[in-house]
Amino acid sequence: KNEVEQSPQNLTAQEGEFITINCSYSVGISALHWLQQHPGGGIVSLFMLSSGKKKHGRLIATINIQEKHSSLHITASHPRDSAVYICAVGLQGGSEKLVFGKGTKLTVNP
Amino acid sequence: NAGVTQTPKFQVLKTGQSMTLQCAQDMNHEYMSWYRQDPGMGLRLIHYSVGAGITDQGEVPNGYNVSRSTTEDFPLRLLSAAPSQTSVYFCASSTDRGYLGGTEAFFGQGTRLTVV
Repeated sequence: KNEVEQSPQNLTAQEGEFITINCSYSVGISALHWLQQHPGGGIVSLFMLSSGKKKHGRLIATINIQEKHSSLHITASHPRDSAVYICAVGLQGGSEKLVFGKGTKLTVNP
Repeated sequence: NAGVTQTPKFQVLKTGQSMTLQCAQDMNHEYMSWYRQDPGMGLRLIHYSVGAGITDQGEVPNGYNVSRSTTEDFPLRLLSAAPSQTSVYFCASSTDRGYLGGTEAFFGQGTRLTVV
């Protein structure tokens, strides 16, 4: 079983819809990252959080440490939000690596 | 401010050839790392460095070498390319160990490598 599981793997939405992408992890973490990767492009950090909730524009990220679960929400989705969204966790206890989920491919149709 | 710069963006190699993927950052970050991204898998750590002169292996280091002679540069060398090394490679940096305390990671644009 992967240490970081994302769902769904693929998501298609209509412009304007509210979108939720989920991330569950099975290890102790120091922080959780949400990343965005556009087709053929680089990776951009959207959020880094270790508790609670963060908001940036139409994007909201939440984390529940007890349940080992995080969600990324996109309000009023737009075709430019089409990308792969990746959840990654920094392991607790001094590990040097991030553990990545496989990503969720989001397509927003006009 | 350029952030993290990777070159080249695309490369085709023949089996057995060697090459160096370049990564440079201008943010004075101590922590730098190389990942590979393969279809159906999450990014996997190849090598990382916590400062100039210090490198260590990640999850999938075989077939790759790194060095860190300056804070800015962290090149990844493929010693003898194999088709299994066909992948997209990303370089990343952060202010310190980053993932321990939780600081933002900055990624390069990626290098798409094909080994034939």
